[in-house]
Amino acid sequence: EDKVVQSPLSLVVHEGDTVTLNCSYEVTNFRSLLWYKQEKKAPTFLFMLTSSGIEKKSGRLSSILDKKELFSILNITATQTGDSAVYLCAVDVDRGSTLGRLYFGRGTQLTVWP
Amino acid sequence: GAVVSQHPSRVICKSGTSVKIECRSLDFQATTMFWYRQFPKQSLMLMATSNEGSKATYEQGVEKDKFLINHASLTLSTLTVTSAHPEDSSFYICSARDWNYGYTFGSGTRLTVV
Repeated sequence: EDKVVQSPLSLVVHEGDTVTLNCSYEVTNFRSLLWYKQEKKAPTFLFMLTSSGIEKKSGRLSSILDKKELFSILNITATQTGDSAVYLCAVDVDRGSTLGRLYFGRGTQLTVWP
Repeated sequence: GAVVSQHPSRVICKSGTSVKIECRSLDFQATTMFWYRQFPKQSLMLMATSNEGSKATYEQGVEKDKFLINHASLTLSTLTVTSAHPEDSSFYICSARDWNYGYTFGSGTRLTVV
């Protein structure tokens, strides 16, 4: 069963466009939701969200979490070719003494054309 | 910040041989490390969770005798793929978690079994 569902799975845009990536989840003992960017190698951290309604921003990227509706969005404004990557959403679940675990979505493959 | 070193980054081995992948936390003590596997265009799938000084916890469907995990110190965890077969070819990523640094990923190992 999918615990973390991302949409769309693939997205192709032109430079300068704004994109919104979606992530919905269904888990127990939710601790936080994380966004990562993956370019061929290991994921690099973007955001960690723990509270609803508080937007986190980093340059052209921003993200927000809705814990009532169990979803998050990642926005990228004024996209650049360097934004082309797979964007992964992960949910951190509390498992007590083992410090939890991450459940990953399948990712959104973003391609930005010049 | 926290750094996790993983090597080798790429390995090609013959079918039937064993391969060891190392994951080291360089500037923090990782009480818990995670091993993931990622197939092309798929998300990261957790294989096992290892805690320093105790046996690893394997996810359902992961053969513990085939994927041996050792976490003998607070800075080193190893994954050994025993009697590797072509279907074991994949991208393996480790992650370390610490209460201070959250989740930090290694750079991944591309395993090809021929």
